[in-house]
Amino acid sequence: DQQVKQNSPSLSVQEGRISILNCDYTNSMFDYFLWYKKYPAEGPTFLISISSIKDKNEDGRFTVFLNKSAKHLSLHIVPSQPGDSAVYFCAASGGEYGNKLVFGAGTILRVKS
Amino acid sequence: DTEVTQTPKHLVMGMTNKKSLKCEQHMGHRAMYWYKQKAKKPPELMFVYSYEKLSINESVPSRFSPECPNSSLLNLHLHALQPEDSALYLCASSQDPGQGIYEQYFGPGTRLTVT
Repeated sequence: DQQVKQNSPSLSVQEGRISILNCDYTNSMFDYFLWYKKYPAEGPTFLISISSIKDKNEDGRFTVFLNKSAKHLSLHIVPSQPGDSAVYFCAASGGEYGNKLVFGAGTILRVKS
Repeated sequence: DTEVTQTPKHLVMGMTNKKSLKCEQHMGHRAMYWYKQKAKKPPELMFVYSYEKLSINESVPSRFSPECPNSSLLNLHLHALQPEDSALYLCASSQDPGQGIYEQYFGPGTRLTVT
């Protein structure tokens, strides 16, 4: 049973526009959420995280929003750049999982110039 | 510095070989992890070391044997692997696991091919 879901396998966005990547989770015990970016044949790179006590966290072009009641989080990238083209993984942790990360399946983002 | 290094970058081994993957971090992190990643899939946790002790083994076959010689180093010893073990093997580290800081920093991975 997938506890972290990224229902969009891929997303295509024009350069300069906003990219919105979505993630849903089912386990209400998760209390920390992270986004990672991955290029082919490289390790995932940590992008941004959010604790369940917040509803928004911002770092430069990246903003993560958390809606606890809906068990939903999203990553906004503004403005999108061609170098943002990668696979984005949502991950959750905390509660019974301690410091284990539970990953979603990933979303491929393509930013067209 | 958020760098985790892994060697080798690529490894090709036969099913009867013994080889080792190495991982190093100098961020003072006290938790280290091994993951396996297949193409188009998320990373799959294999082992977790906390304070140099094995704290989690995700039912990994015994042909994979982890070792944590000190707080900066993590090895994965490989023996009698199968072709289906071919994958990208990732090492990661994180700060004191008891302090609610969950960010894990990943190395570039070792691309393993078992022939």
